[in-house]
Amino acid sequence: NAGVMQNPRHLVRRRGQEARLRCSPMKGHSHVYWYRQLPEEGLKFMVYLQKENIIDESGMPKERFSAEFPKEGPSILRIQQVVRGDSAAYFCASSPPQGNEKLFFGSGTQLSVL
Amino acid sequence: QKEVEQNSGPLSVPEGAIASLNCTYSDRGSQSFFWYRQYSGKSPELIMSIYSNGDKEDGRFTAQLNKASQYVSLLIRDSQPSDSATYLCAVNVRNYGQNFVFGPGTRLSVLP
Repeated sequence: NAGVMQNPRHLVRRRGQEARLRCSPMKGHSHVYWYRQLPEEGLKFMVYLQKENIIDESGMPKERFSAEFPKEGPSILRIQQVVRGDSAAYFCASSPPQGNEKLFFGSGTQLSVL
Repeated sequence: QKEVEQNSGPLSVPEGAIASLNCTYSDRGSQSFFWYRQYSGKSPELIMSIYSNGDKEDGRFTAQLNKASQYVSLLIRDSQPSDSATYLCAVNVRNYGQNFVFGPGTRLSVLP
């Protein structure tokens, strides 16, 4: 019974490159959330998705960031033209359809921008 | 603006003592409240959820909720060094859409 799977665990990019972070929710879960965490800080909500729908992207920067959760395959968080300030841990969480509000987190992707 | 506040700590307690972690939230419409534990370099792990006023106990953990005061707390009895971690308070600020807002976390250190 696999949990929330994120890959890669560590991602190194140079400034200006693109970063793609992947998240496969737990089996039976249809809701995916992305959070960003800077060192010694809390989790900052970025986006909430269901299959083929973005429900809430109020935490996403207006430029360079996008997210999708296609009908088939993992959810993708895409960061274009990365800058050093994008360096952070990015966590994905999933939850089942209505009736259970608990979030279960993946192990995260540590993005380092050189 | 929906906010969740916690004392960042560090909170230091001796082994065997009770650790008390506090959280306040701004949205009176919040319905669901959660405590997560996060070890350094690891992902958050759910340890408690609470939905109605009062106390909820699970082993050494007790969550307390007071919606009138917009206050939720976590008590850890018989604290162990393995409890040393950052504790994140999370609030679901919507009935639908499940917008979870996390506090900045309180770093707990249990001294042997």
